[in-house]
Amino acid sequence: NAGVTQTPKFQVLKTGQSMTLQCAQDMNHEYMSWYRQDPGMGLRLIHYSVGAGITDQGEVPNGYNVSRSTTEDFPLRLLSAAPSQTSVYFCASSQGGFYGYTFGSGTRLTVV
Amino acid sequence: AQTVTQSQPEMSVQEAETVTLSCTYDTSENNYYLFWYKQPPSRQMILVIRQEAYKQQNATENRFSVNFQKAAKSFSLKISDSQLGDTAMYFCAFIQAGNQFYFGTGTSLTVIP
Repeated sequence: NAGVTQTPKFQVLKTGQSMTLQCAQDMNHEYMSWYRQDPGMGLRLIHYSVGAGITDQGEVPNGYNVSRSTTEDFPLRLLSAAPSQTSVYFCASSQGGFYGYTFGSGTRLTVV
Repeated sequence: AQTVTQSQPEMSVQEAETVTLSCTYDTSENNYYLFWYKQPPSRQMILVIRQEAYKQQNATENRFSVNFQKAAKSFSLKISDSQLGDTAMYFCAFIQAGNQFYFGTGTSLTVIP
């Protein structure tokens, strides 16, 4: 049982480049989310999904796209990287409510 | 809007002593769940303890316990017999209808040998 798997763990991008952060979970969780973590700001929600085919925006969605074609996968796309997107990104999944979220190990992204 | 406030950006405690981390939250809902997560230097987010809002009894997990005051919207974490491995960032969070997590900004805890 792998839990939530995020790839890559580290990435350096040039301004204007695009890329996809991968996230997969093997727990059959309905709920999946992407967060970014910046110093002094906690974790902020980028996008979330309540099931395959259903996604919605969180607190800081600009510059990011998501899709959820299967229960297992929830990739995050950076359309045109900007230095302001330098952050640590976490994917998380949940079966809801009391169970809280299970987090991936994070991706440290640097945009130069 | 839902918010979570952790008013202590940094704290320290001597090994074997007890420390309490504060958290307040704001919600108009009556049914929700509260959590404390630990993030050590490895970056991994680890669930420490959770509390259901409709339960009066405070949750306890070994050396970790909470003081849940629903009327005051307060959810503090007490760590007893602090150990060096407790050094980490601690985040308070809650979930309500819609299953979205709202996080505080974190408290950096250092356990001093």
